[in-house]
Amino acid sequence: DAKTTQPPSMDCAEGRAANLPCNHSTISGNEYVYWYRQIHSQGPQYIIHGLKNNETNEMASLIITEDRKSSTLILPHATLRDTAVYYCIVRVAFAGTASKLTFGTGTRLQVTL
Amino acid sequence: GAVVSQHPSRVICKSGTSVKIECRSLDFQATTMFWYRQFPKQSLMLMATSNEGSKATYEQGVEKDKFLINHASLTLSTLTVTSAHPEDSSFYICSARDRVEQYFGPGTRLTVT
Repeated sequence: DAKTTQPPSMDCAEGRAANLPCNHSTISGNEYVYWYRQIHSQGPQYIIHGLKNNETNEMASLIITEDRKSSTLILPHATLRDTAVYYCIVRVAFAGTASKLTFGTGTRLQVTL
Repeated sequence: GAVVSQHPSRVICKSGTSVKIECRSLDFQATTMFWYRQFPKQSLMLMATSNEGSKATYEQGVEKDKFLINHASLTLSTLTVTSAHPEDSSFYICSARDRVEQYFGPGTRLTVT
């Protein structure tokens, strides 16, 4: 699976949008971009994933550049409960493969009042 | 969404004893289960991958005789830390995958005294 690069930490004021970048310049055509987050002392939580189109769900939006070498996770209105480590992972689809989720160091997002 | 449970949530044991951690997929059948370990302020490290009814595949550097994994059914996997030592103290997280997605348990905090 392709390697990703994320900033180690970011701050965001509560109520503002949090934009978390991820570089994945070696991504292959069949690899998806996945985002998970881990709140302190809990297991990772799935947020969103995409292949090449932008995606939105109730938690976040995912913007993938046209060349697919980078992406941005957007939390539209960050709250204190969004304080967590956010992991960007690229991998092939699960179905029919033995693909493993490999975690990098992630971005520690601190949401402040 | 799919739920993965772990038991116990935290355990303290004496050095030299063995500890068993259970991982269950509550509302789906998991074709594959994964075990991760996370040390303080570090990312999740994959320890092993197991498929129901077959032997687990361990990542490089993980001792298979120390970390025994049993995946006897499509909803249950167990990790046994044998002859635990203080350096085995860590946060152990299991993950279960159905045909499409991968879901994480809440983690088990192991402290070896």
